[in-house]
Amino acid sequence: GQNIDQPTEMTATEGAIVQINCTYQTSGFNGLFWYQQHAGEAPTFLSYNVLDGLEEKGRFSSFLSRSKGYSYLLLKELQMKDSASYLCAVREDSNYQLIWGAGTKLIIKP
Amino acid sequence: DGGITQSPKYLFRKEGQNVTLSCEQNLNHDAMYWYRQDPGQGLRLIYYSQIVNDFQKGDIAEGYSVSREKKESFPLTVTSAQKNPTAFYLCASSWGMNTEAFFGQGTRLTVV
Repeated sequence: GQNIDQPTEMTATEGAIVQINCTYQTSGFNGLFWYQQHAGEAPTFLSYNVLDGLEEKGRFSSFLSRSKGYSYLLLKELQMKDSASYLCAVREDSNYQLIWGAGTKLIIKP
Repeated sequence: DGGITQSPKYLFRKEGQNVTLSCEQNLNHDAMYWYRQDPGQGLRLIYYSQIVNDFQKGDIAEGYSVSREKKESFPLTVTSAQKNPTAFYLCASSWGMNTEAFFGQGTRLTVV
């Protein structure tokens, strides 16, 4: 079956580093996306990985291991505005549709 | 400003009534999508369209209908056949099925 797992909620301190994990089991794989979603708002694109390794983009980095069915989003120098849900989505190669995880709610404390 | 616009942001309807949610984009994207978001669940695909005058059912199309008469517009009708319509509805668009999607601000539909 198709399944994407993320922790439901995480808490971190302003200025610190946090890693949000995502594991997936899908029938095919053609890329993994991370989106940020503030409460009641639209998801916004953060990163895309299709090859193994780390992609760095400012304070945010995303890692992929296809053999392990695993990705993580790393957020550095946390700011209060980073309080949001982080959604992991896998694109299947059969029909290019996205399979979405339930999201991880990240709470930043001062 | 280029973007994708959903309206209205909040919508209340009585049970048994059909309701249409608007989605317009000026990004010149070919592909458009409708998702439903419920608490504790991932986004679920309702319908998608890869090109004008063509659309496909997603995973939870029952009780919904769409049209794609113009490239810019992809309205979603929630019919009375949808058993549990109260949810947050998100419209998205992309250049193609293999590129990242841009989302609208969402419409929160409450059926009473």
